[in-house]
Amino acid sequence: KQEVTQIPAALSVPEGENLVLNCSFTDSAIYNLQWFRQDPGKGLTSLLLIQSSQREQTSGRLNASLDKSSGRSTLYIAASQPGDSATYLCAGYNNNDMRFGAGTRLTVKP
Amino acid sequence: NAGVTQTPKFRVLKTGQSMTLLCAQDMNHEYMYWYRQDPGMGLRLIHYSVGEGTTAKGEVPDGYNVSRLKKQNFLLGLESAAPSQTSVYFCASRGTGGLNEKLFFGSGTQLSVL
Repeated sequence: KQEVTQIPAALSVPEGENLVLNCSFTDSAIYNLQWFRQDPGKGLTSLLLIQSSQREQTSGRLNASLDKSSGRSTLYIAASQPGDSATYLCAGYNNNDMRFGAGTRLTVKP
Repeated sequence: NAGVTQTPKFRVLKTGQSMTLLCAQDMNHEYMYWYRQDPGMGLRLIHYSVGEGTTAKGEVPDGYNVSRLKKQNFLLGLESAAPSQTSVYFCASRGTGGLNEKLFFGSGTQLSVL
């Protein structure tokens, strides 16, 4: 059974800082890994999807990497802005089952 | 193109009552999912469907039933609600192959069972 862990649970940074969010998973036979953003009281929005054959994906200021051998993925946010404040979740997909981490709550202070 | 739509957005039930949550997607996705989200526990999969007429159990299926009679709709039923089912419920869907496997979520249903 895939288990996904995200550390830290919460992170506060000043505006403009580059930051890295971490995600670890236990089953390296992962089919793909996705990063999501969730704003308070809202659903999840998919940010990046990395397939098992890929090492990274980029979208604007976001870059996600995947290292299956170590069971880790990172989400890099460049030049953080107050609008980036949200909870970020990662999810690993195996065998019709997508398992989510509990998320990292990010606060970017002006 | 509305994406994934969930109804209702809020509901309060008394213990023992029943209800059905509706999820509709207009992206012709094969896969549909029901999750619950509880504080500190992330999202947990209740049931899922890999196509019209199919359903399967997820991580926490007890106390819930589902049906997928039409490809665009996935219904979640609670036959006899319990306080432990107080949660936020999310529906999601996705296609198949490459970037089509991005998961799209509805805006959620806040359910309280008293």
